[in-house]
Amino acid sequence: GAGVSQSPSNKVTEKGKDVELRCDPISGHTALYWYRQRLGQGLEFLIYFQGNSAPDKSGLPSDRFSAERTGESVSTLTIQRTQQEDSAVYLCASSLWGSKEKLFFGSGTQLSVL
Amino acid sequence: AQKITQTQPGMFVQEKEAVTLDCTYDTSDQSYGLFWYKQPSSGEMIFLIYQGSYDEQNATEGRYSLNFQKARKSANLVISASQLGDSAMYFCAMREVNYQLIWGAGTKLIIKP
Repeated sequence: GAGVSQSPSNKVTEKGKDVELRCDPISGHTALYWYRQRLGQGLEFLIYFQGNSAPDKSGLPSDRFSAERTGESVSTLTIQRTQQEDSAVYLCASSLWGSKEKLFFGSGTQLSVL
Repeated sequence: AQKITQTQPGMFVQEKEAVTLDCTYDTSDQSYGLFWYKQPSSGEMIFLIYQGSYDEQNATEGRYSLNFQKARKSANLVISASQLGDSAMYFCAMREVNYQLIWGAGTKLIIKP
């Protein structure tokens, strides 16, 4: 596609339920990032993919969070047993790998855990 | 310790004036990159400008320029002739050799008519 696509754009869930957030990066972009942004705050790094592998998972806040990427394309961020503190906007970004890469962001998924 | 510091949580600027948004960074890497992104109220993150640590000239992109002072570890964003549409959150970010982007807390810029 022309840009990074994220779905759903909004997700309301009950505490304790699992959620899956999807990201379709720009075709040909080998690098894919997931960030979390709480209201009024900056971006918090979650995980990075180069191709289908995730060399850096250091930002995942707990073992309830996991992510995968297949076909060097679509990525899914899964949050199990959601908690209210998981409420945030989850942003996905992709880039070409290079010394001056810039990130192209999706419009995010607003997650609300009731 | 903070790796990216944006000391201005909010700024009000009169339309058509120039504005400087501050960003200081901390790294021991010799090779790194500095980015500025804009986030309007709609939420999307928009890339503005990039400066590489080895770039000798300050980066410019239209009305945006980056005042890069390597010895002082500062990478301030300058917006010339501000417009109402410039009202947004502005984030400074740094990429170190391990490729991960580290983000500042942001500055909320409001342009007054």
